[in-house]
Amino acid sequence: EPEVTQTPSHQVTQMGQEVILRCVPISNHLYFYWYRQILGQKVEFLVSFYNNEISEKSEIFDDQFSVERPDGSNFTLKIRSTKLEDSAMYFCASSHLLRPNTEAFFGQGTRLTVV
Amino acid sequence: AQTVTQSQPEMSVQEAETVTLSCTYDTSESNYYLFWYKQPPSRQMILVIRQEAYKQQNATENRFSVNFQKAAKSFSLKISDSQLGDTAMYFCAFMKPGGGSEKLVFGKGTKLTVNP
Repeated sequence: EPEVTQTPSHQVTQMGQEVILRCVPISNHLYFYWYRQILGQKVEFLVSFYNNEISEKSEIFDDQFSVERPDGSNFTLKIRSTKLEDSAMYFCASSHLLRPNTEAFFGQGTRLTVV
Repeated sequence: AQTVTQSQPEMSVQEAETVTLSCTYDTSESNYYLFWYKQPPSRQMILVIRQEAYKQQNATENRFSVNFQKAAKSFSLKISDSQLGDTAMYFCAFMKPGGGSEKLVFGKGTKLTVNP
């Protein structure tokens, strides 16, 4: 069964450092997303990406964040200068355009710890 | 903006019994999708069940079923014959299709514990 793959599973970084979280979406999917879950809280939408550009972003997704699909298979989230409050679980998801089977498939998540 | 409310932070149920998790949402849209996602301790997000708003028939997936009340904007999840592996966080989510973004809006979740 196809799945969304995220690497690394856990990343520890110093405050102020740049991090790149990587995702390989399901190959025939067209929508890509990043979500964030601070420990014990709900899952929050960060950004959606369609047709090689950001289609929507939340208030959380400020100038410190960027996304890229560099090679047609990977989908990355970059945080330029990490803050302590960026510590969270980051989920990548992808979905197919075809309805009514619209369903977002999630990766297993990357736990980011900023120290 | 759409909001999703899960009013039960925690619930517990005995193995083999039935439990219902509540979810309400607020939207002015007429066409949308609703989902229940399960998040076990591994923290992976797993789709449990999906409901299209234009369908009056409640969705079912094996032991999982929903009670979708569109007018009341209510979308509860019923788990029958609860199993220990059902222990997890359950998130209700709303999605408005189209517009180049099909983001999910999640509720805060309900932590379900199935007791032996």
